[in-house]
Amino acid sequence: EDQVTQSPEALRLQEGESSSLNCSYTVSGLRGLFWYRQDPGKGPEFLFTLYSAGEEKEKERLKATLTKKESFLHITAPKPEDSATYLCAVQERETSGSRLTFGEGTQLTVNP
Amino acid sequence: GAVVSQHPSWVICKSGTSVKIECRSLDFQATTMFWYRQFPKQSLMLMATSNEGSKATYEQGVEKDKFLINHASLTLSTLTVTSAHPEDSSFYICTSGRGETQYFGPGTRLLVL
Repeated sequence: EDQVTQSPEALRLQEGESSSLNCSYTVSGLRGLFWYRQDPGKGPEFLFTLYSAGEEKEKERLKATLTKKESFLHITAPKPEDSATYLCAVQERETSGSRLTFGEGTQLTVNP
Repeated sequence: GAVVSQHPSWVICKSGTSVKIECRSLDFQATTMFWYRQFPKQSLMLMATSNEGSKATYEQGVEKDKFLINHASLTLSTLTVTSAHPEDSSFYICTSGRGETQYFGPGTRLLVL
C-alpha cells in the first residue's frame, strides 16, 4: 500500500527565512511525485512533477528535489504570499489512470 | 492551460436530501476523473474513479449507493450525495488529467444541516 508522510505538519517562518518541507514515500513503483499548493477553501494548485531520483525542478522561490525515498520542497527567501498548505502526492506506476495518494500536508505560514 | 471546473462551489442542504455536484474538464477530453473528499485540516482522500461510459470504481469504505457517480460524456462527471447527513459535510474536489499531470477543480463545500 502506498504511503506518503509529510513533515513538519506546520511551519512558521519569518519573511526571508529559507527552509525545506519533507515528503517521505513508500510505493512499489513510482510513476511520479507531485507537489501542490492549496489555499484555504480552494482546490490544490499544481506546482511540480518529479519522475526519477536526482531530478530537480524550480519555480520562482520553490525548488523540488527527489530521491528514492523522499522529496524536499525548498523555499528560498519566502514571502507572506507563500503561506499555504503544501501537499505531496505519489502516483504508482501500476495504477490505472492517474490516481494519486496524498500526504497530510504541511501548513506554511510566512510572517512579514 | 488545462482547466477543471466544479459547480456549485458551495451548497447547504437539509439532512435527508440529495445533492448533485458537477465536474467539467473545460479544454480537454477526460475519460477518467477522480473524486476526492477533504475534511477540515486533513488531506485529500480518494473516494472513487469515474470512468466515461462505464461504472465508477469506489475506494474501500466508500458507499457506492450513497455517492452516485455518473460520467456520461468526456467532459462531465457528476457526484450525487444521496440522503445526505451532517457527517457528509466536507469539501469535495474532482480532478482530471492531461498526460501525467492532474488538474484539480476548485472544490465544492457541502454543509448538511
